[in-house]
Amino acid sequence: KAGVTQTPRYLIKTRGQQVTLSCSPISGHRSVSWYQQTPGQGLQFLFEYFSETQRNKGNFPGRFSGRQFSNSRSEMNVSTLELGDSALYLCASSRTGADSPLHFGNGTRLTVT
Amino acid sequence: QKEVEQNSGPLSVPEGAIASLNCTYSDRGSQSFFWYRQYSGKSPELIMFIYSNGDKEDGRFTAQLNKASQYVSLLIRDSQPSDSATYLCAVRANDYKLSFGAGTTVTVRA
Repeated sequence: KAGVTQTPRYLIKTRGQQVTLSCSPISGHRSVSWYQQTPGQGLQFLFEYFSETQRNKGNFPGRFSGRQFSNSRSEMNVSTLELGDSALYLCASSRTGADSPLHFGNGTRLTVT
Repeated sequence: QKEVEQNSGPLSVPEGAIASLNCTYSDRGSQSFFWYRQYSGKSPELIMFIYSNGDKEDGRFTAQLNKASQYVSLLIRDSQPSDSATYLCAVRANDYKLSFGAGTTVTVRA
C-alpha cells in the first residue's frame, strides 16, 4: 500500500512569489492535514480537509490556503512568500474517526530567499 | 497555555536504561493520544496510540494515560542507540484537530 506522497520534495522561491504544494493521501484515507515544521516552533497545524471541506484551521494568515479534491488529493498554496515561510511542510492523511492516527508524507522543504 | 506540553530535553540515557517521556494537555475533552518518533531529516512516524486510562504496552514501549490529570507518558525500556530521535506527543480533541507538543529529543549513549 503506497504511503502519503508529497511533491515536490524541495522548493526554492523568492520573497513575494507564491507556491503550491501537493499531497496524495493513502488510498482510502479521506482526511488530509497540513503542518508547518520549523526548528523553533515545532509542528504547527495549518488546516485539515475532510471530504473536500476544511474541517479545521490553525492560526496562520490568510496567505496560507488549501483545498481538497474529490479523490482526496490536497494542495496547499502560500501567496506573497516571506522569509519566515521557509520550513518543512508536512502533509498527513488518516481515516475518519477520532482514533485514527495521522500518517505523514516525506514533506516538502521550502526555502524562501 | 500551550495545548500540548512535553518535558523539555534533551534527554540522555545510557544504552539499556529506561527513557521516560512526559506530556500534558490542556483540553479535558481530548479523546485520543499518540506518540510519534522523528529522526533527524525525516518525517514523524507513529509508534503508539492510547485512548483509555491506564497502560498500553507494545514491545519495548509503554504508553500511560491519566485523563483526570491530563497526562500521558511514554516509557522506552532497554533503550537502544537506534531509539535516539525526537519524540512527539500528539493529542486529538473533539474537533478532530491533532495538536503536537514541541518534542523531546532523546539520545541513547552506547
